[in-house]
Amino acid sequence: DAMVIQNPRYQVTQFGKPVTLSCSQTLNHNVMYWYQQKSSQAPKLLFHYYDKDFNNEADTPDNFQSRRPNTSFCFLDIRSPGLGDAAMYLCATSRVGSAGGSHNEQFFGPGTRLTVL
Amino acid sequence: AQRVTQPEKLLSVFKGAPVELKCNYSYSGSPELFWYVQYSRQRLQLLLRHISRESIKGFTADLNKGETSFHLKKPFAQEEDSAMYYCALSPEGGSYIPTFGRGTSLIVHP
Repeated sequence: DAMVIQNPRYQVTQFGKPVTLSCSQTLNHNVMYWYQQKSSQAPKLLFHYYDKDFNNEADTPDNFQSRRPNTSFCFLDIRSPGLGDAAMYLCATSRVGSAGGSHNEQFFGPGTRLTVL
Repeated sequence: AQRVTQPEKLLSVFKGAPVELKCNYSYSGSPELFWYVQYSRQRLQLLLRHISRESIKGFTADLNKGETSFHLKKPFAQEEDSAMYYCALSPEGGSYIPTFGRGTSLIVHP
């Protein structure tokens, strides 16, 4: 089945130790998103890629970076994780610009739960 | 800027009872509205969207532009409906950046 895959599902890191979360998709969608979700809160958009174009949300800390080496993969890099960065990180995709289909619908991965010690 | 409000953090009902999860939005144009659902230990997934005007798993939602609402309704709740529900808004013009509400946890008791 076409889907959005996130690895790892659980990640434990130490305060200040860089960590990378990965997302891959077999849907061939042109837009990929990274969200941060803390307990009892709405998903908060960190950034997204429209094809190769990177779009950062204004309030996303510089500590968070992203890479999209090709259509299928997208990475979230946290350069120096702090205790406040512990959260669930969601990757999502959508197809934008095509006629019909699931325009604007997002497809989510299962998430990576990050713990910072 | 657009905003989505889900006033209830938690909604608890008994099986067979009607359920209504509220969603209000603020946006000056014509938005596209969605309901996403997250069952326990599963990924967030689309439940329904207003332009489809369909019923999914017995749920319906009508966009009320006058009241700027998009409430999710089901006449008879089932235990398997227990989940987290998120209302989301995408601005008109094909914008692909949705705004999510904080979510409502629905618990259906046997």
